[in-house]
Amino acid sequence: NAGVTQTPKFRILKIGQSMTLQCTQDMNHNYMYWYRQDPGMGLKLIYYSVGAGITDKGEVPNGYNVSRSTTEDFPLRLELAAPSQTSVYFCASRAGTGLGEQYFGPGTRLTVT
Amino acid sequence: GQQVMQIPQYQHVQEGEDFTTYCNSSTTLSNIQWYKQRPGGHPVFLIQLVKSGEVKKQKRLTFQFGEAKKNSSLHITATQTTDVGTYFCAGDTNAGKSTFGDGTTLTVKP
Repeated sequence: NAGVTQTPKFRILKIGQSMTLQCTQDMNHNYMYWYRQDPGMGLKLIYYSVGAGITDKGEVPNGYNVSRSTTEDFPLRLELAAPSQTSVYFCASRAGTGLGEQYFGPGTRLTVT
Repeated sequence: GQQVMQIPQYQHVQEGEDFTTYCNSSTTLSNIQWYKQRPGGHPVFLIQLVKSGEVKKQKRLTFQFGEAKKNSSLHITATQTTDVGTYFCAGDTNAGKSTFGDGTTLTVKP
């Protein structure tokens, strides 16, 4: 099993551009999460999903959108990128709440200039 | 909304000294997990606590969950250089939402 994969690993965007961060898991997990981590800071929840077709906002959803059309994929869309979105983005998945471990992808390092 | 506070933000210790990080939630948690992140890496799961007052041990690491399920701690006995990194707690609500603390960064001087 590959676990949780994220693409791309690195990206530089100009202000106002858009992009999609991809996240795929092959563990048949129901729950998936998107976090951002600013330098020296903790992880802030952007969006999460408890199953295909179901998504909900986290702490910092503004400027982002998600979809969950399949169990495996949970892409994160950035519209009109801003310098404040410069961060490392982590996708995570787990079987269900109360079932412990979140499995994290390697992250996408995004710079907006 | 739910907030999870973690202290201290940084801890510098001499190798062999003990280390403790504390986590406090503004709301009652259904469970809490602890993760470790090395510089440049992603968070890696250490343990989950579910029951009120639960204590779990992993070698030199001891994890506790408070009686009210609103606080938790991680204690490392006799730190080693391999313990360096940032330790995060993460609290769950029954709805599946997960909130991370801001982490405690541990440095160990040989």
